[in-house]
Amino acid sequence: SQTIHQWPATLVQPVGSPLSLECTVEGTSNPNLYWYRQAAGRGLQLLFYSVGIGQISSEVPQNLSASRPQDRQFILSSKKLLLSDSGFYLCAWRKVNEKLFFGSGTQLSVL
Amino acid sequence: GENVEQHPSTLSVQEGDSAVIKCTYSDSASNYFPWYKQELGKGPQLIIDIRSNVGEKKDQRIAVTLNKTAKHFSLHITETQPEDSAVYFCAASKSNYQLIWGAGTKLIIKP
Repeated sequence: SQTIHQWPATLVQPVGSPLSLECTVEGTSNPNLYWYRQAAGRGLQLLFYSVGIGQISSEVPQNLSASRPQDRQFILSSKKLLLSDSGFYLCAWRKVNEKLFFGSGTQLSVL
Repeated sequence: GENVEQHPSTLSVQEGDSAVIKCTYSDSASNYFPWYKQELGKGPQLIIDIRSNVGEKKDQRIAVTLNKTAKHFSLHITETQPEDSAVYFCAASKSNYQLIWGAGTKLIIKP
């Protein structure tokens, strides 16, 4: 069966520090991969998605970037975090036109 | 572009009563409609989905109905229990496109 791993679960970072969140999927190949963000008590905002290795689409202009170095690995990064980058970050995967599955999320607090 | 509206934003029901959450979508080409449940601090979990060739789908206490003419779909939870308390998200998509999300409904089950 397929599983998605996302880490860390919680992260506290100072303003101006770098960020790296990692997500891996097991039990499938060629998945579409997604990064979402949720502000506290708010909805799901799509940040990036990828349909293949090295292929990244950005949905909103921002301080973050994403990379897909391997088929089942998706990384969210920042060179210098801003206060506004705080939030709950979710990785997700799906096969084309099939169900979307989320990871357990990373709560990022930028102080 | 596609837009999904979700109502109400908060719903409080007595334990044992039914809960109904409604979503409307704008793109008549949308053909896939999932519902997700998100508990505090966790990633959203798919609870039920429906495709446009079906008008209703049921899974134990949960059901989804779809009205393609009116472009709306609803989540029905019967015999609500305390563990049903969560935030529920609806979404809509058409083939090969991204999911468009509703803003979420916070469901509170009163004991």
